[in-house]
Amino acid sequence: AQSVTQLGSHVSVSEGALVLLRCNYSSSVPPYLFWYVQYPNQGLQLLLKYTSAATLVKGINGFEAEFKKSETSFHLTKPSAHMSDAAEYFCAVSSNQGAQKLVFGQGTRLTINP
Amino acid sequence: DGGITQSPKYLFRKEGQNVTLSCEQNLNHDAMYWYRQDPGQGLRLIYYSQIVNDFQKGDIAEGYSVSREKKESFPLTVTSAQKNPTAFYLCASSIAGPTYNEQFFGPGTRLTVL
Repeated sequence: AQSVTQLGSHVSVSEGALVLLRCNYSSSVPPYLFWYVQYPNQGLQLLLKYTSAATLVKGINGFEAEFKKSETSFHLTKPSAHMSDAAEYFCAVSSNQGAQKLVFGQGTRLTINP
Repeated sequence: DGGITQSPKYLFRKEGQNVTLSCEQNLNHDAMYWYRQDPGQGLRLIYYSQIVNDFQKGDIAEGYSVSREKKESFPLTVTSAQKNPTAFYLCASSIAGPTYNEQFFGPGTRLTVL
């Protein structure tokens, strides 16, 4: 069975500061990992994905994430936060075997302080 | 433009009534999904379909029903058997087969039971 844990349901940073959103996964098979962003009352938009190629993955809007197998982590970072980054972020895991369902974490709400 | 549409955006229902949420996609995707989103719980899978005329229960299927008569359409019915139907419902689609499962999401329908 696969699962995802996002550490911190709320994260608050100042504009221009580093953004770090934590995600740990559990998977018995090589995982595919995703970060999605959701703005209020909207659907989810894919930020980036890891599919067993490079371990450092670059996404849209200046975000990136690093796959660390030894730590079973896939943390999301952005060097300098912008006000427009305020949203909810979801980490998700899927497998490359069987029915390809996504399992989502609980989400982290990111607040940017001016 | 290719994408996923969900209608209506807001839906109000009286207790004891069935209601159907629409999901249409023109991405030519074989697989479609329905999720329920509640605050602090992330997204939970209700039903998914990998091919026309076939669908499987997700993690929280009780009180819901679906059909998949056309490739581009995957309507969800919330029945009176669903005890707590007030939530934000998201539809998604993806390609099917032995590849990573990047899912594309619609804008969502917010259902409120009065």
